[in-house]
Amino acid sequence: DVKVTQSSRYLVKRTGEKVFLECVQDMDHENMFWYRQDPGLGLRLIYFSYDVKMKEKGDIPEGYSVSREKKERFSLILESASTNQTSMYLCASTTRDWEFFGPGTRLTVL
Amino acid sequence: GNSVTQMEGPVTLSEEAFLTINCTYTATGYPSLFWYVQYPGEGLQLLLKATKADDKGSNKGFEATYRKETTSFHLEKGSVQVSDSAVYFCALSTPNFGNEKLTFGTGTRLTIIP
Repeated sequence: DVKVTQSSRYLVKRTGEKVFLECVQDMDHENMFWYRQDPGLGLRLIYFSYDVKMKEKGDIPEGYSVSREKKERFSLILESASTNQTSMYLCASTTRDWEFFGPGTRLTVL
Repeated sequence: GNSVTQMEGPVTLSEEAFLTINCTYTATGYPSLFWYVQYPGEGLQLLLKATKADDKGSNKGFEATYRKETTSFHLEKGSVQVSDSAVYFCALSTPNFGNEKLTFGTGTRLTIIP
């Protein structure tokens, strides 16, 4: 079974902190994605990556950056966390048209 | 651009009731269509998909038919169970040389009462 893991299920940070969310997949997938999920807005794509060291902006990249140094790991970085970044963050890893999601990280920024 | 509109929730049904969750889409080209399910406290799981017009996706008693003429992909189940309580997301992707990405609807929360 494909497994996508995220480093934390729950995270509480303070405004202005630098936050790292880690995602690891074990199926050698090239494509990886970061979404945030908010009530009434569904899932919105933040960044995605089609290969190591490659990254592309999604629909809402402002305030975020990403890193893909190894194929299996895709990190989401909040350079200076703000309260409006309180959300559920979901990582996904995909074959051609089958996405596998991690369990999510619920981030609260105080 | 691509967009997905799905039935607003929450939806509450009694066990063994018939379920329909509506989903319509706007897309350029020929999208693939998906339904994902998110159980409480978990990430999203692919429930079913259809990749071309008139295809029917099915899984766990759920079905959805790709209707190009009405740009719809409604989710149905004949007899729901308490364990079906979850949030359901309709989504689409359009071909992009192996680099497809998904566009999601806002999700519909379904609660089944015993």
